[in-house]
Amino acid sequence: EDKVVQSPLSLVVHEGDTVTLNCSYEVTNFRSLLWYKQEKKAPTFLFMLTSSGIEKKSGRLSSILDKKELFSILNITATQTGDSAVYLCCSGAGSYQLTFGKGTKLSVIP
Amino acid sequence: KAGVTQTPRYLIKTRGQQVTLSCSPISGHRSVSWYQQTPGQGLQFLFEYFSETQRNKGNFPGRFSGRQFSNSRSEMNVSTLELGDSALYLCASRDQGNTEAFFGQGTRLTVV
Repeated sequence: EDKVVQSPLSLVVHEGDTVTLNCSYEVTNFRSLLWYKQEKKAPTFLFMLTSSGIEKKSGRLSSILDKKELFSILNITATQTGDSAVYLCCSGAGSYQLTFGKGTKLSVIP
Repeated sequence: KAGVTQTPRYLIKTRGQQVTLSCSPISGHRSVSWYQQTPGQGLQFLFEYFSETQRNKGNFPGRFSGRQFSNSRSEMNVSTLELGDSALYLCASRDQGNTEAFFGQGTRLTVV
């Protein structure tokens, strides 16, 4: 059975801190690793990673995939209160379904 | 382009009833997936439809069913509702061949 595990499950930081969120996976016919941000209801897409070692960046957010060790990290630098959300990691496999981790709840306090 | 639209946004049903949820994908997207989100289990895959055919199904009982119409709109049906079916039901649409999924706002179902 495909599995995605995220850590930590929750995290509280102060504005300006840098955070690293972790995601490990065990997936048959792995195709991609995706990160989403969920603030209220609809998860919004952040990154899709398919190749090892290639960092993807968007503003203060960046992510990288290690296909040998089967994990990915999401970094957020200079955190802001607007970064408070649940961050979801999921794997895309040959079966087309996305397998999600339980998420990391990030709280950024002023 | 309009995003993924789910209706209704909120529903309250009693045990034993059935419910139908609707999802309109992004224009041009032919793949629609459904997910159940609960605090304890996170997001769990229900099923995916592509061109009116169910392409994949998650590990849910037969009370959960779905269908897709020729315009790619999809419906999800849950029969004989149980208290444990209370959850946020999310629909996502994708372009063909691309695993990046775009989610709707969800339908919050409460079973009492």
